[in-house]
Amino acid sequence: EVQLLESGGDLVQPGGSLSLSCAASGFTFRSFAMNWVRQAPGKGLEWVSLIYSSGSNTYYADSVKGRFTISRDNSKNTVYLQINSLRAEDTALYFCARGREFGGLGYFDLWGRGTLVTVSS
Amino acid sequence: QSALTQPPSASGSPGQSVTISCTGTSSDVGGYNFVSWYQQHPDKAPKLMIFEVSKRPSGVPDRFSGSKSGNTASLTVSGLQAEDEADYYCSSYAGRNNLVFGGGTKLTVL
Repeated sequence: EVQLLESGGDLVQPGGSLSLSCAASGFTFRSFAMNWVRQAPGKGLEWVSLIYSSGSNTYYADSVKGRFTISRDNSKNTVYLQINSLRAEDTALYFCARGREFGGLGYFDLWGRGTLVTVSS
Repeated sequence: QSALTQPPSASGSPGQSVTISCTGTSSDVGGYNFVSWYQQHPDKAPKLMIFEVSKRPSGVPDRFSGSKSGNTASLTVSGLQAEDEADYYCSSYAGRNNLVFGGGTKLTVL
């Protein structure tokens, strides 16, 4: 079955760090760019980060630049998001999504179910 | 990068058609044919409904269609069905390796 499965979400204090994972299955992971998209409670979707299929290029939304790091391990079919210096406004459901066309930002044709990050003291 | 502008809500009766707009700028919607639409039911992951302005992925009913004129894209749902009730989000490539979403529209089937 073609799917993405996120994990790693947790309750974290402000200023803390967290590492999210997204395990892919059912498709040739190394051939696709991957993204992270987040959704704050009751709010809309926000693109967070993109990594090319080879891992050679990474891009970030301005709101997370310098605090978030995306990476991938094609031997493990997994993409990661390292989140540092967490703020209350980072509280959200974090989805990973497979990117198509235009370097992986054309559209997202496969989504995981998300992992919840809550930042609170 | 500012979010694309969508109406917060839309509604229609079963069998009717409803159109949801998505307004951006010449730097995003108007500048690229990479506008997508996603459907999200409560507590579910988003689902791709339309890509590249007007293309439908396999399995998406042809009741869903997309278009664009200038800086505004539109999603039309024809022959409304109860299961179409959901939140809908547009997105657009916004240049310089950036992507922007709309604020979302809650579609209610009356």
